[in-house]
Amino acid sequence: QVQLQESGPGLVKPSQTLSLTCTVSGDSVSSSTYYWSWVRQPAGKALEWIGRIYSRGTTNYNPSLKSRVSISLDTSENRFSLRVNSVTAADTAVYYCARVNYYFHMDVWGNGTTVIVSS
Amino acid sequence: DIQMTQSPSTLSASVGDRVTITCRASQYISTWLAWYQQKPGKAPKLLIYKASTLESGVPSRFSGSGSGTDFTLTISSLQPDDFATYHCQQYNSYSYSFGQGTKLEIK
Repeated sequence: QVQLQESGPGLVKPSQTLSLTCTVSGDSVSSSTYYWSWVRQPAGKALEWIGRIYSRGTTNYNPSLKSRVSISLDTSENRFSLRVNSVTAADTAVYYCARVNYYFHMDVWGNGTTVIVSS
Repeated sequence: DIQMTQSPSTLSASVGDRVTITCRASQYISTWLAWYQQKPGKAPKLLIYKASTLESGVPSRFSGSGSGTDFTLTISSLQPDDFATYHCQQYNSYSYSFGQGTKLEIK
């Protein structure tokens, strides 16, 4: 059974960098079958796709976030990570990691982790 | 960027009702459309992908249809467990986007 688990600080100060990790079990981030993605959801609002990474390290990002976001892969630890630079209160959200399947749908999700941006 | 517009934003219905939620894409997306169910405090759960393919383990009362820019999610006979928020998601040109969500409430 594939499981994803987000981890990272729950509180980040404005202008600093948000860093989260998604640890994968039951599957390999090196698999050529899947992409690995980050999605966030501010309280009471819609889901927002942040970006994705492929096993070979290829990345794609939401154009609205591209200048501040990076996603990386750690195959030795079987995990992938998200960095968001220069955060503001607008980056406060529940952050989810997800596996993206062949037909570009997200079939396995982590439980989500809440990140609050506040001084 | 492709915008996804769901309607209605809120839907009130009763157990046993047949309900339909609509999702419209601002550009052609073929059948690269998925539907998710989300309950409060939980991660989204995949229901349907490629517009009409039911994910394994999802009850057959859920169905999806459409192609191009217009898509629907239908629940044939609402069960108590179905009251939740539903999201559509598209994929096109190396980018994804979600609709704003439809909250399905008990009438």
